[in-house]
Amino acid sequence: EPEVTQTPSHQVTQMGQEVILRCVPISNHLYFYWYRQILGQKVEFLVSFYNNEISEKSEIFDDQFSVERPDGSNFTLKIRSTKLEDSAMYFCATRQGRNLSNEKLFFGSGTQLSVL
Amino acid sequence: QKEVEQNSGPLSVPEGAIASLNCTYSDRVSQSFFWYRQYSGKSPELIMSIYSNGDKEDGRFTAQLNKASQYVSLLIRDSQPSDSATYLCAVRRASKIIFGSGTRLSIRP
Repeated sequence: EPEVTQTPSHQVTQMGQEVILRCVPISNHLYFYWYRQILGQKVEFLVSFYNNEISEKSEIFDDQFSVERPDGSNFTLKIRSTKLEDSAMYFCATRQGRNLSNEKLFFGSGTQLSVL
Repeated sequence: QKEVEQNSGPLSVPEGAIASLNCTYSDRVSQSFFWYRQYSGKSPELIMSIYSNGDKEDGRFTAQLNKASQYVSLLIRDSQPSDSATYLCAVRRASKIIFGSGTRLSIRP
């Protein structure tokens, strides 16, 4: 089965530093997502991205967050100035989205971000 | 009101029995409905998707959707120890897919 690849698997950073989380979507997928999951809590929607622009974003996705597809393949999430409360597992997910049979969200294995 | 609501559990079911998981959602224009399974420390994986009212069966799993009641359920027949996990209900409206907080299911031998 095709895979969504996320790097790095673990990222440790100091509060206030910028981090970039990377994702390689499945090649024919059109919709890209970032979710986060704080330990023991729910999978929270951050942002959806389609046709090279943000489709929807949550209240969590404030000015400190940004996404882009810099080279047409990688899909990145940048956190400009990390806070302690940004510590979480960040999942990238993609779906093809052309019709109802392509609704399945494929998840990457996640990046565990620890802000110290 | 939460967009997608589930009982957090834990739900304990004996091996071989039927496990029943429930979910309600608040947005009437939601279009697609999903059940994901998440093992501890792993990413969610899709079990079932359902788009129209009624039942949909896939092996030991049956998803049920009632749009009038804004209710989705998942039945797991002949529960196995490997079914022990957190089950996440998810709902799509336009490009947004929202997850519930999940129900922890434990299958006891």
